[in-house]
Amino acid sequence: DVVMTQSPLSLPVTLGQPASISCRSSQSLVHSDGHTYLNWFQQRPGQSPRRLIYEVFNRDSGVPNRFSGSGSGTDFTLKIDRVEAEDVGVYYCMQGTHWPPLTFGQGTRLEIK
Amino acid sequence: QVRLQESGPGLVKPSETLSLTCTVSRVSVSGEYWTWIRQPPGKGLEWIGYAANNGATSYNPSLNSRVSISVDTSKNEFALKLRSVTAADTAVYYCAKGRSTPNYWGQGTLVTVSS
Repeated sequence: DVVMTQSPLSLPVTLGQPASISCRSSQSLVHSDGHTYLNWFQQRPGQSPRRLIYEVFNRDSGVPNRFSGSGSGTDFTLKIDRVEAEDVGVYYCMQGTHWPPLTFGQGTRLEIK
Repeated sequence: QVRLQESGPGLVKPSETLSLTCTVSRVSVSGEYWTWIRQPPGKGLEWIGYAANNGATSYNPSLNSRVSISVDTSKNEFALKLRSVTAADTAVYYCAKGRSTPNYWGQGTLVTVSS
């Protein structure tokens, strides 16, 4: 199985400040079709996960442009330019390249300081 | 906007079969991949597997041969069956659209395994 390792696991951030979450995979996520299936999900308290970013850097419709994804191979990052109160929740990376099984990171809990 | 809604018993006895249905609205289940994911209380996300109406399936090896997912085009829904459940199968179960990059998710349904 591909192991996805996120850091940090807890991220206290001041409103208006930037935040960054790292996700590392135990093997390259470049698929034989040339795509890199690395996704980011946000799970607000009491809600189901919502996809924010797909294939490393593509933002989903309706996702604020303060969210951005980057990276390649085994090293990926989710950045939030200026954290807002509605960004509180748990963020997961997920790889869809090597399966079964598709695998998730442990989750990073973002809170407001 | 695509909508997915999970339904099924909220309580299942140990050793019995967990059965859930995901009703899909505003898009046909034909020609797409449909996924189940679960989340034990207070824990992270675990991929269960996916299916398509052409018979394609893939399951998490950790669930061994206990799991099956099927698609019903006549009802525009898909289903999960997990056999021989234990307390470790207690979780919120989510259905989702997509395979390598699930984009639409249901609200989730809590299934508790207890006698």
